[in-house]
Amino acid sequence: DADVTQTPRNRITKTGKRIMLECSQTKGHDRMYWYRQDPGLGLRLIYYSFDVKDINKGEISDGYSVSRQAQAKFSLSLESAIPNQTALYFCATSTGGQPQHFGDGTRLSIL
Amino acid sequence: EDQVTQSPEALRLQEGESSSLNCSYTVSGLRGLFWYRQDPGKGPEFLFTLYSAGEEKEKERLKATLTKKESFLHITAPKPEDSATYLCAVQASGDYKLSFGAGTTVTVRA
Repeated sequence: DADVTQTPRNRITKTGKRIMLECSQTKGHDRMYWYRQDPGLGLRLIYYSFDVKDINKGEISDGYSVSRQAQAKFSLSLESAIPNQTALYFCATSTGGQPQHFGDGTRLSIL
Repeated sequence: EDQVTQSPEALRLQEGESSSLNCSYTVSGLRGLFWYRQDPGKGPEFLFTLYSAGEEKEKERLKATLTKKESFLHITAPKPEDSATYLCAVQASGDYKLSFGAGTTVTVRA
C-alpha cells in the first residue's frame, strides 16, 4: 500500500460545484502539504499544516480551503470550482528536516 | 521571494549519451536544495538533498552538485529507464516550505 494515498485519482466536474480531495498517510509524519501542478509552472503550494491545530496558507490559497481531520488526514476543498482550477493536485508529508514525500496526485478537470 | 529556474525545459538523449541539467536559484539563506524525479501519472520521488556549496551526492547514474547559485544533475551513460521529469526545489533557512522549478523532461532513446 502507498504511504501517501490521494482520492480520487481523477475527477471531472462542472463549474460552481463543491469538490473535496482527500489525502491520508501511513508514514506517521506530522507535516502535510497540498500543491497544484500546472504545465510550465511547476508545483505551487496551496496550504500546509504542521500539526492538527496548525493550518497555514501557501502562495496560492485563494479559492481553496483545507481541513486537518487527524494527524494522518488532510483534505482540500474547492467551494465553488472554476475552470482555471483544472490541474494536477498533490499531497505531501514530511517530518523534522526530512524530505517531503508525495502521493500520486489527483487529476482534476473543471468544465 | 525564492526563485528556482531549471534548464533546459526538455532534453532528448541517446542511450549512453551523458548530459547535465541545471537548476539556478535565489533564496534568502539556503537550508537545502532538493532533486526529485517524476514519472508520468506519479508524484515526485525524492532523489537527493544538498545543503552547502561544494557538496555532491550520487545514486546510480545520477550525480548532483551544488554551488552558491546553482545545482547540476549529471546523468552518466543514461538508459531509457532514466526518462522522467526532474524537479529541483529549494528550502530557505528557518522555513519548511519548498519552492519548485518547472522541471526538465528527459527522454532517453534506446
